[in-house]
Parts: sequence; C-alpha cells; structure tokens
Amino acid sequence: QVQLVQSGAEVKKPGASVKVSCKASGYTFINYAISWVRQAPGQGLEWMGWIGAYNGNTNYAQNFQGRVTLTTETPTSTAYMELRSLRSDDTAVYYCAKVRDYWSGDRNWFDPWGQGTLVTVSS
Amino acid sequence: QSALTQPASVSGSPGQSITISCTGTSSDVGAYNYVSWYQQHPHKAPKLIIYDVSNRPSGDSNRFSGSKSGNTASLTISGLQTEDEADYYCSSYTSDNTYVFGTGTKVTVL
Repeated sequence: QVQLVQSGAEVKKPGASVKVSCKASGYTFINYAISWVRQAPGQGLEWMGWIGAYNGNTNYAQNFQGRVTLTTETPTSTAYMELRSLRSDDTAVYYCAKVRDYWSGDRNWFDPWGQGTLVTVSS
Repeated sequence: QSALTQPASVSGSPGQSITISCTGTSSDVGAYNYVSWYQQHPHKAPKLIIYDVSNRPSGDSNRFSGSKSGNTASLTISGLQTEDEADYYCSSYTSDNTYVFGTGTKVTVL
C-alpha cells in the first residue's frame, strides 16, 4: 500500500536548523510531488511548499520563502524538509503528503499523509 | 495567500445533517475544481475524505459529500455519527501553483 514514513521527533534550540525526512513506498516516487504541511499546537494546517520528485522543482509558501528548503533523493524515494533559523513559534507537527501527478498536473489533493514529526524549539 | 475561511465550529445531533462552508477567492476555490476536504481526529494525521470538489475516495463513507458554487465550497455530513466528531479542513490549489488550507471547523456531535 502507498505509505509515507517520517523521521522521529526533534528538539532544537532557537536559531538552529532541523531536517525532517519522509520515505515513500508503494508507488512510483518520481511520478508525483511531495508537499509539506505543519500544524502548531492547537492550531490549523499550514501549507509550506511542494517539490516535484521527477525534477526537483519547488514552490514555497510566502511565509517560508528563504527559510525552508525541500529536496528529494530519488534512489531511496525519500523527501526532506529543512527549516532554518528556528523560532519558538516553529514548534509544530510537520507532515509530508503525496500530491499532484507530475505528468498530468491533476491529483491536487493530499493523500496519503505521513504520521507527522514533532519539532520542538526551546532554549 | 490567505487561509480559506471556515466556520470555527458546527454541531448537530446524531442522524442529522450538517454543512461546513469554505470560502476563498477567484484565485483559488473559484478558479479550479481542485477543492479537497480532510478529517482530523485528535493526535492523528489528517485523512482525505473528498477530492476534486465532490469525489469520494473508493471505499469511504457515502455520508460525506462535497459541492461548490463560485468561490465557496461546502462539505455535507449526513446521518451524523459520534465518530464524525473531529476537525475538518478544506484545501484548494491556487493560481500561484501553490495550495492553501481552510481555517478548520470543529464538528461536535451533541
């Protein structure tokens, strides 16, 4: 079955960086994009960006421009999200999700989702 | 890109129907039939329940239905059940080749 498995929880100090991984299985990785979404405690879902696994093309939400980098490693079907200059309000659960058929441009929905990775930013 | 607007909470009794609205703009909800809906139970990852405005994933409950008119999409839950108590989010593809989520709606079964 199609599955996304994320790396474990992280605790970081303000100003540091974090890199979260998302390993895909059960489908042809390069045919789709991976999107990243975060959810602060008690808050809603916030879209961060997406990366096309075929060619590495990216598009980021304005709120994260310059502070986030999305990458993929096609031999291992793994996507990565790196967030820099961490602040306390970056404390959140970070999710990856499969989205968008690269070839048709359709399939613009998030399914499945990874289990989520809690990133805590605290001094 | 501003979040799509949803009511903060909606409630209903078991067996009733409720509707959640999701209002965007002509650059997102109104521009494409790429609206999707997600159900999220506490401490769980979101789950897709509607895609492309009104389509249900195969095998999923037919008590969930979606529609769209202009810049507003809607999710209807019919025959409300206790397990429907959760948070619900809409999402839309946008003209900037990005995505945006709604503000989220807490559904309470009375």
